[in-house]
Amino acid sequence: SQQGEEDPQALSIQEGENATMNCSYKTSINNLQWYRQNSGRGLVHLILIRSNEREKHSGRLRVTLDTSKKSSSLLITASRAADTASYFCATDKFNAGNMLTFGGGTRLMVKP
Amino acid sequence: DTEVTQTPKHLVMGMTNKKSLKCEQHMGHRAMYWYKQKAKKPPELMFVYSYEKLSINESVPSRFSPECPNSSLLNLHLHALQPEDSALYLCASSRPGQGKTEAFFGQGTRLTVV
Repeated sequence: SQQGEEDPQALSIQEGENATMNCSYKTSINNLQWYRQNSGRGLVHLILIRSNEREKHSGRLRVTLDTSKKSSSLLITASRAADTASYFCATDKFNAGNMLTFGGGTRLMVKP
Repeated sequence: DTEVTQTPKHLVMGMTNKKSLKCEQHMGHRAMYWYKQKAKKPPELMFVYSYEKLSINESVPSRFSPECPNSSLLNLHLHALQPEDSALYLCASSRPGQGKTEAFFGQGTRLTVV
C-alpha cells in the first residue's frame, strides 16, 4: 500500500523558475526522504529529513516537514532542463525496519 | 564504489521460462531490497534482506523467489510469470537499522513477460 500521496502529479515550468512538490503521508515516521528518477532508470537519493527536523537545505533543494500535518514539500530553486525527472517522497514507518514506502510521485518537466 | 549493479538491463521471457535477476553491491551494506515498478507508478517493495536473512516479504506471489547468497549479492528467481508481471525491477541497498540512511538503487531490469 502507498504511504504517501504527492501533488501535483505533473508539473511543467520554464527554466529558471522554482518548482514545488508536496507529499502527504499517513503514519508516524522516522524520517522522510526525497528521490529523483530519470525516465525508466534507477532512483537517486536527494535529501533526508528526520522527524524532529522542520527544514533542510542541500544546494538548490529545500525540504520542509510538518509532522503535525503529516506533510512535506520539496522546493527546487532556479530549475534547469536537467532537473526534468520524476520526484518521489519516501517514508519509513516507525518500527517497520528497513521499509521505504514511496509516494505517487511528481513528474517535473523543465522547458529550456 | 557507490554503485548497485543489476543484470540484465532488459529481459524478455515466456510464461514457462525460468530466469534470474542479479544485483551486486560492494558498499558493505547489509540490507538489500527488491522493488517492482510499473509505468508511471512508484516503486513497490517486494522483499527486504537484512544481514542475508529475509526480513520482509510483502505478500509477493511464490513465482518470485528471492535469494541472498552473501552480503554483496541478491538474486530474484522468476518462474511461471504472467504478462502483468512485466515491470521495472529495482534492487537497492542501505545500511540496516531504522531507515536512518538513504537507499542506493541500481538502474533496474526492464522485464517483459510474453
